[in-house]
Amino acid sequence: NAGVTQTPKFQVLKTGQSMTLQCAQDMNHEYMSWYRQDPGMGLRLIHYSVGAGITDQGEVPNGYNVSRSTTEDFPLRLLSAAPSQTSVYFCASSRQGGKSPLHFGNGTRLTVT
Amino acid sequence: AQSVTQLGSHVSVSEGALVLLRCNYSSSVPPYLFWYVQYPNQGLQLLLKYTTGATLVKGINGFEAEFKKSETSFHLTKPSAHMSDAAEYFCAVSGGSAGGTSYGKLTFGQGTILTVHP
Repeated sequence: NAGVTQTPKFQVLKTGQSMTLQCAQDMNHEYMSWYRQDPGMGLRLIHYSVGAGITDQGEVPNGYNVSRSTTEDFPLRLLSAAPSQTSVYFCASSRQGGKSPLHFGNGTRLTVT
Repeated sequence: AQSVTQLGSHVSVSEGALVLLRCNYSSSVPPYLFWYVQYPNQGLQLLLKYTTGATLVKGINGFEAEFKKSETSFHLTKPSAHMSDAAEYFCAVSGGSAGGTSYGKLTFGQGTILTVHP
């Protein structure tokens, strides 16, 4: 029973590089989301999806792209990394959006130098 | 738009003492409210949730929270703190506007770090 799986766990990028953070869930959840966590700021929503083929922006979407081609996967792409994107990124899924509890992955710690 | 305010970024208690973590929210529709806990280097885990019905909600590890609509609050309490309760706690709300996908967005507070002293 894997739940939400994020890869990689750690990543260091140079400014301007691009990369994709992977997220997969095996609970058949329709709703998936990406958050970033920064000290003293809680978790801020980057993008979310209510089903395959449907995505929408959250609170801090600039510099990030997402796609949802399957129910299971929701990758987050950094187009051109910047030091301000240094953060811990969490992927989460739920059965019914904000009406049901989120299941979180263990996070990806990203450093941009 | 919905929002959450957690009063106090750090709370320190002695083992066996009452734990009280404060959360106030704003929402233009009946809210769904959650408390999550995060241990070091881990993701967040659900402690408890309020959707509808009974306003006093019991969660895991002896925690409970009371939804008070008149005060727009959802404070988290535990009668007797244990060393293992040391962690960061997050209050979250969904339900920012009527209609659409408003319940698709979960907004988190800034977090409260709980320290428990022997």
